Amino acid sequence: EVKLLESGGGLVQPGGSMRLSCAASGFTFTDFYMYWIRQPAGKAPEWLGFIRNKANGYTTEYNPSVKGRFTISRDNTQNMLYLQMNTLRAEDTATYYCARSRYFDYWGQGVMVTVSS
Amino acid sequence: DVVLTQTPPTLSATIGQSVSISCRSSQSLLHSNGNTYLHWLLQRPGQSPQLLIYLVSRLESGVPNRFSGSGSGTDFTLKISGVEAEDLGVYYCVQGTHAPLTFGSGTKLEIK
Repeated sequence: EVKLLESGGGLVQPGGSMRLSCAASGFTFTDFYMYWIRQPAGKAPEWLGFIRNKANGYTTEYNPSVKGRFTISRDNTQNMLYLQMNTLRAEDTATYYCARSRYFDYWGQGVMVTVSS
Repeated sequence: DVVLTQTPPTLSATIGQSVSISCRSSQSLLHSNGNTYLHWLLQRPGQSPQLLIYLVSRLESGVPNRFSGSGSGTDFTLKISGVEAEDLGVYYCVQGTHAPLTFGSGTKLEIK
């Protein structure tokens, strides 16, 4: 059974940093592109970026809205996906999801990030 | 960025009624590789989004066949043939043809 489980959310002050993790299981992790998506309360989701699979060299792409502040990485030995978020702003407050593949066929349960003083 | 315009924003249906949701793109979603990366998601209250339809019309495994997708280029439609109570929630279209990937603003389906 495919499972994605995010962790690492919480309250952070403006200007601070946070790293989110996504534990993947039930599939061959290295075969898949992995995505980060966020959703402010009551709003539509926003794509943040993705990291490609082994066949495509694990390269990354980002939404210009977060490029330079957010970094996606993966540990293929541990089947873990990461989102490093720096210089956080109030507008980064949202539920953050990891998702599998360019079809978004599996999603984690989400983790809340609140940026506030 | 590609803008996906979903209509209607809200939809109220009785059990058994058939409904359609439109998703119009500001640019053609036909990729140079011949695929059209337009997908449909359902987010039930308090849950993560789930994939219903991918590549315009392909039904995700485990999704009831009362859901169907159609369209091409810039105009796409999700149809539910016989709404059931479990179908309530917000439906989103999402495009993966052009970077940045973008989502529609959503259509909320309510059950009368």
